[in-house]
Amino acid sequence: DAGVTQSPTHLIKTRGQQVTLRCSPKSGHDTVSWYQQALGQGPQFIFQYYEEEERQRGNFPDRFSGHQFPNYSSELNVNALLLGDSALYLCASSFLAGGPNEQFFGPGTRLTVL
Amino acid sequence: ILNVEQSPQSLHVQEGDSTNFTCSFPSSNFYALHWYRWETAKSPEALFVMTLNGDEKKKGRISATLNTKEGYSYLYIKGSQPEDSATYLCSGANNLFFGTGTRLTVIP
Repeated sequence: DAGVTQSPTHLIKTRGQQVTLRCSPKSGHDTVSWYQQALGQGPQFIFQYYEEEERQRGNFPDRFSGHQFPNYSSELNVNALLLGDSALYLCASSFLAGGPNEQFFGPGTRLTVL
Repeated sequence: ILNVEQSPQSLHVQEGDSTNFTCSFPSSNFYALHWYRWETAKSPEALFVMTLNGDEKKKGRISATLNTKEGYSYLYIKGSQPEDSATYLCSGANNLFFGTGTRLTVIP
């Protein structure tokens, strides 16, 4: 049983470009959450997808958008990249959004913006 | 915004020592606190989900307690081993807000 997978592992982009990160949830999970972790900080909640809709959103600008597909996999898109978007992006999956259920994390995508 | 704070920021202990660290959060409108262990180059691993005041949970040598009235949770590690070296994260409001973690190093 594969856990949460993310691709790519690493990514280098330049300012102004756009990026798409991908996440496949753990088998049996229907909810995907995305987090940004900058150096020295805890993960910051970006948004959560459930039933192909954005269910909750953290304090991130509209440049950050996402999508969930019928197979529960998800994408995170970031437009007009800024240097400050350089971070580790973590995806996590769980079952039944809103319930206090265990959440499983993927290994993350390291994004560097030059 | 929920202010989740963890202390200490980092900790060095000798192998065999027991240790504990704290996660603090506003006590009003509590809903689900999670603990994670995050080893270098790996994914954060779920340890405990704490929901009720007075909850005590245990997994091997690691245990956690929860006090929602005063707004804190403790994580305890009994007889620390080098493989316990990791960053321990807590999150409040059912994973909406994370602390910055406690980095534990166990010295052999």
